[in-house]
Amino acid sequence: AQSVTQLDSQVPVFEEAPVELRCNYSSSVSVYLFWYVQYPNQGLQLLLKYLSGSTLVKGINGFEAEFNKSQTSFHLRKPSVHISDTAEYFCAVSVYGGSNYKLTFGKGTLLTVNP
Amino acid sequence: DTEVTQTPKHLVMGMTNKKSLKCEQHMGHRAMYWYKQKAKKPPELMFVYSYEKLSINESVPSRFSPECPNSSLLNLHLHALQPEDSALYLCASSPGLAGGTRDEQFFGPGTRLTVL
Repeated sequence: AQSVTQLDSQVPVFEEAPVELRCNYSSSVSVYLFWYVQYPNQGLQLLLKYLSGSTLVKGINGFEAEFNKSQTSFHLRKPSVHISDTAEYFCAVSVYGGSNYKLTFGKGTLLTVNP
Repeated sequence: DTEVTQTPKHLVMGMTNKKSLKCEQHMGHRAMYWYKQKAKKPPELMFVYSYEKLSINESVPSRFSPECPNSSLLNLHLHALQPEDSALYLCASSPGLAGGTRDEQFFGPGTRLTVL
């Protein structure tokens, strides 16, 4: 069965510093990977997705992620964070499981950007 | 219109009440989802509708009853809930086919439910 592991439950950083949020997946079949962001008291918003093609994926708000099949990773990066990036970030995998796809989320990483 | 709307934003109900949550999208998406999210946890899939037919029920208790009256609308009927059912209920939609998809899911803002 597919699963997603987000290695850090909390990541505190200072404003304008770079950040990397780590995500590893396990699956024996082709996977489609997503990063979602959830701001306080809101729903989830897609940051970026990897379906196929280039392994470096650029998303909204200056975020990017690199798909690494050999390391089964899909880490999210931003070169310079803002206070407004403070939110919960979820890595998710969509895997075809016989008759349909299902989206499975990691446990989330709380990014806190401090002034 | 590229959003999913949910009403109400907040709902407080007693354990004997009957209430409904509503979700609407006008993006022409054919798959719609209900998720339950407890505090500081990821969303957990409850139901998936595809082309207005229920395609996934993740062993959800019968006190939650989904309904898809048309391709734009998804309801979740609630009856005899327990305090542990208090959570954020998220609706999502995606363009794709039955049982989830590799496509992006668009999420609504959620309904925060409190069961007393």
